[in-house]
Amino acid sequence: DAGVTQSPTHLIKTRGQQVTLRCSPKSGHDTVSWYQQALGQGPQFIFQYYEEEERQRGNFPDRFSGHQFPNYSSELNVNALLLGDSALYLCASSFEEVDEQYFGPGTRLTVT
Amino acid sequence: AQSVTQLGSHVSVSEGALVLLRCNYSSSVPPYLFWYVQYPNQGLQLLLKYTSAATLVKGINGFEAEFKKSETSFHLTKPSAHMSDAAEYFCAVSDTSFQKLVFGTGTRLLVSP
Repeated sequence: DAGVTQSPTHLIKTRGQQVTLRCSPKSGHDTVSWYQQALGQGPQFIFQYYEEEERQRGNFPDRFSGHQFPNYSSELNVNALLLGDSALYLCASSFEEVDEQYFGPGTRLTVT
Repeated sequence: AQSVTQLGSHVSVSEGALVLLRCNYSSSVPPYLFWYVQYPNQGLQLLLKYTSAATLVKGINGFEAEFKKSETSFHLTKPSAHMSDAAEYFCAVSDTSFQKLVFGTGTRLLVSP
């Protein structure tokens, strides 16, 4: 049983560029949440997708957007990258918004 | 708004010694509380959770935590540290079951032989 998978593992982008990160949830899960973990900090909630809709959102600007596909996989898009967007981006999946979240290994984004 | 405070960014113990990682929470509603562990280059793994049932919660790998409402605390303990316990530990709170977790800044546990 595959757990939560994320791609790519690492990514280097330049300021002003756009990036797309991908997440496949654990088998049987239908809800995906995204978190940003800056170096030396705890993860911060970005948003959550369920039934292909954004259900909850944290305190992140509109430059951060997402999408959930019919197979429950999800993408996180960040536009107009800033140096401060450099972080580990974690995806977590769960069942029907109310169950325990299982985290993926993350995507390390570096903005230069 | 909910928040958690983890006292001590680093905690060092000897192998076999008691592990105590501190977490205090702030919540306007009865909270759900969690401890997660993160090993290098890995995602977060749930150690244990408090969901308003028993105040003493037992988790995986011999860890446990006690919910103390009067002290707004949810400290993590383990009677005897093992080298494999060396990792980053995060306390988290939520007001909506397991979703929209609010994490603390983490405590790095160092275990020496």
